Amino acid sequence: KQEVTQIPAALSVPEGENLVLNCSFTDSAIYNLQWFRQDPGKGLTSLLLIQSSQREQTSGRLNASLDKSSGRSTLYIAASQPGDSATYLCAVAGANSKLTFGKGITLSVRP
Amino acid sequence: GAVVSQHPSWVICKSGTSVKIECRSLDFQATTMFWYRQFPKQSLMLMATSNEGSKATYEQGVEKDKFLINHASLTLSTLTVTSAHPEDSSFYICSAKERRTGVGSNSPLHFGNGTRLTVT
Repeated sequence: KQEVTQIPAALSVPEGENLVLNCSFTDSAIYNLQWFRQDPGKGLTSLLLIQSSQREQTSGRLNASLDKSSGRSTLYIAASQPGDSATYLCAVAGANSKLTFGKGITLSVRP
Repeated sequence: GAVVSQHPSWVICKSGTSVKIECRSLDFQATTMFWYRQFPKQSLMLMATSNEGSKATYEQGVEKDKFLINHASLTLSTLTVTSAHPEDSSFYICSAKERRTGVGSNSPLHFGNGTRLTVT
């Protein structure tokens, strides 16, 4: 059974800092991996999707990497801003598009 | 971009009543829709997979008679929580897999904004 782990559960950084969020998964047989953002009480916003054949994806200040063999992914956020404060969820897709989510990392960026 | 509309965004109901949540794909056809539940500070847990025109497939531990799922068209799936109890209070989110030609799990998934259910 796939398990996705995100540590730490919460992170607080000063504005402007570059930061890395980590995600690990137990079964490397995945189709893709996605990073989502969730604001309190809201739904999910897809940030980046990495196909299993890819190593990384970039969008603006965000860069996500995938190392399938070691079961790891990182989300890199450059020059963090208070508006980046949210919960970041990592999810891996198995057969039939079923997603297994981690518990998320709650990020707080202090002005 | 593709939009999934989930309604209502929040609902409060009394214990013992039933609540229906709708998930609509507004500008695309969705052959498959997924229903998730999220408890506070927990990850999203897949409840069931809904395929248009067929019975839903429920994950282990999810009561199919309590959580009724109907996927009558390529743009609409509904989740009905029957005889709701306070422990059913949670955040329910649907996602829709965009229908595209070709095979594989790489068709985009689009998420609704979720429904906050509170059972008193």
